[in-house]
Amino acid sequence: GNSVTQMEGPVTLSEEAFLTINCTYTATGYPSLFWYVQYPGEGLQLLLKATKADDKGSNKGFEATYRKETTSFHLEKGSVQVSDSAVYFCALRGETSGSRLTFGEGTQLTVNP
Amino acid sequence: GAGVSQSPSNKVTEKGKDVELRCDPISGHTALYWYRQSLGQGLEFLIYFQGNSAPDKSGLPSDRFSAERTGGSVSTLTIQRTQQEDSAVYLCASSLVGFGYTFGSGTRLTVV
Repeated sequence: GNSVTQMEGPVTLSEEAFLTINCTYTATGYPSLFWYVQYPGEGLQLLLKATKADDKGSNKGFEATYRKETTSFHLEKGSVQVSDSAVYFCALRGETSGSRLTFGEGTQLTVNP
Repeated sequence: GAGVSQSPSNKVTEKGKDVELRCDPISGHTALYWYRQSLGQGLEFLIYFQGNSAPDKSGLPSDRFSAERTGGSVSTLTIQRTQQEDSAVYLCASSLVGFGYTFGSGTRLTVV
């Protein structure tokens, strides 16, 4: 079946540091890949997505590239801010799973001033 | 409405009691999903409704869990004879088919 594995957290960084949150997946065919973000006290929000190999999703300074050869979709940001503190979830939608998403465990990010 | 609304936001119940959790999806969204978020774990799929089709119940963890969606809109997730391991945040999301999800803020269920 489909699965998503994220790097273990929590991750603590200083403001303006470089961020990488690793995500790898297992799925047949060509799934669509997503990053969701959950700010404190709020619901999950779609951050970015990529629907085919080598696509790069980007939003709010965050980027992730769909790497079919390494089955990865790592999230990166060049300079984090305190306001980026949140839980980040990697997810996939399989070719045969309709609209259903499979999520990773989530990674807690804390950015200190 | 403007977003997905869930109620209650918090629920504390005694072990063995039944609980009902409500989700109001975005108007016009044909797909509705329930997930469970346990402490330190990812989101666990529970059930998926799409239009008038039979729901995908493959994620429900036991027969104590059930859900319905009335009139293609509001959904209720019911947990009978609650157990402590049912304590979690229950998240509802809705979408148009093939589009991204919009999540509600969740219901935090605590079974004591």
